[in-house]
Amino acid sequence: EDQVTQSPEALRLQEGESSSLNCSYTVSGLRGLFWYRQDPGKGPEFLFTLYSAGEEKEKERLKATLTKKESFLHITAPKPEDSATYLCAVALTGGGNKLTFGTGTQLKVEL
Amino acid sequence: EAGVAQSPRYKIIEKRQSVAFWCNPISGHATLYWYQQILGQGPKLLIQFQNNGVVDDSQLPKDRFSAERLKGVDSTLKIQPAKLEDSAVYLCASSYSRGEGQYFGPGTRLTVT
Repeated sequence: EDQVTQSPEALRLQEGESSSLNCSYTVSGLRGLFWYRQDPGKGPEFLFTLYSAGEEKEKERLKATLTKKESFLHITAPKPEDSATYLCAVALTGGGNKLTFGTGTQLKVEL
Repeated sequence: EAGVAQSPRYKIIEKRQSVAFWCNPISGHATLYWYQQILGQGPKLLIQFQNNGVVDDSQLPKDRFSAERLKGVDSTLKIQPAKLEDSAVYLCASSYSRGEGQYFGPGTRLTVT
């Protein structure tokens, strides 16, 4: 069965304290891995798509990486405005564009 | 560029009542998706349209849920009759094509009492 697991469930950081969020997946065939940010009361906001192992993408303080079994979202020197839930999702080969989401990591960055 | 629009933003109904949600995707996006997000979980795909044809509705509870996309643009999702377990946020998303990243609307929060 295809599975997406995110860890930790919740993470509390001090401003400037870098860390990483993990998304591990067990799927029959990966077409792409997606990272989204979701603020309370809002829909998920698209961040990155990764397609192959070794690929990396960056946006401001965020950097996403992909291996054959997992993806990491690295947050460098986070600020309070980075506080949100970060969702990981996979699209499977032969699965159209159907996304299977993990349950998310709730990040809180404090001053 | 305007984002995905959804209405209403909030809805409270009693069980066994019916409810409908509306979605207007980003202009030019051929693919439209409806997701259900239960509190504390990731979104779960209910139905996917390519233009006005259904691509995937394998997780749509067809005994009570229905969806349509007229003229390949706007879409409505209906629940009839609603159950308590339908309480969730219903998200609409769109993408330019089936392989592109999906862009989400703000969602409709449904509470069934």
